[in-house]
Amino acid sequence: SQQGEEDPQALSIQEGENATMNCSYKTSINNLQWYRQNSGRGLVHLILIRSNEREKHSGRLRVTLDTSKKSSSLLITASRAADTASYFCATDATGANSKLTFGKGITLSVRP
Amino acid sequence: NAGVMQNPRHLVRRRGQEARLRCSPMKGHSHVYWYRQLPEEGLKFMVYLQKENIIDESGMPKERFSAEFPKEGPSILRIQQVVRGDSAAYFCASSPLGDAEAFFGQGTRLTVV
Repeated sequence: SQQGEEDPQALSIQEGENATMNCSYKTSINNLQWYRQNSGRGLVHLILIRSNEREKHSGRLRVTLDTSKKSSSLLITASRAADTASYFCATDATGANSKLTFGKGITLSVRP
Repeated sequence: NAGVMQNPRHLVRRRGQEARLRCSPMKGHSHVYWYRQLPEEGLKFMVYLQKENIIDESGMPKERFSAEFPKEGPSILRIQQVVRGDSAAYFCASSPLGDAEAFFGQGTRLTVV
């Protein structure tokens, strides 16, 4: 079964709206990372949140982590058409040699 | 500071041939990870290397696949006798330490015909 599972699987919003994406995982973690992937391209690292952190901000991005619920959320505020991409959460499980376990991703479409 | 460099970006091989994928980590990064992404799926861990050592190869298929990260030069992921099912995007990531951000290359898209 997946360690990281994102929901929804697909999200379509209007430019200017906020986008919220969720990720759940199963085991204890050292950190959780969010990545963006444009179609057919590489992964861009967005943000890393450690297990002892509850919230982090980076520009229009806000990430929360609830280790008691084993869940994280990524909020993109004031979305732009350029935010259209697939978003993945990846967990660095405790004792896993820092290898990342990815979910299947969320496809975000931002309509201009 | 150049990012993680992978080459080639696209590779076409006939069934039975060998595929060699190269990854140069970011400067100062000694930890290299290889991942495979099948269409419409997330990335799956394959192998974790530090210079001259394989730390974790739990995600590597038992046969035909091998990886190395020599003292000098890039990390190499080698697939012998490729089959159609090996067609995928292969990504390399590097980090300066464990438990740190992993930065990914642009990937090598392997197509087996």
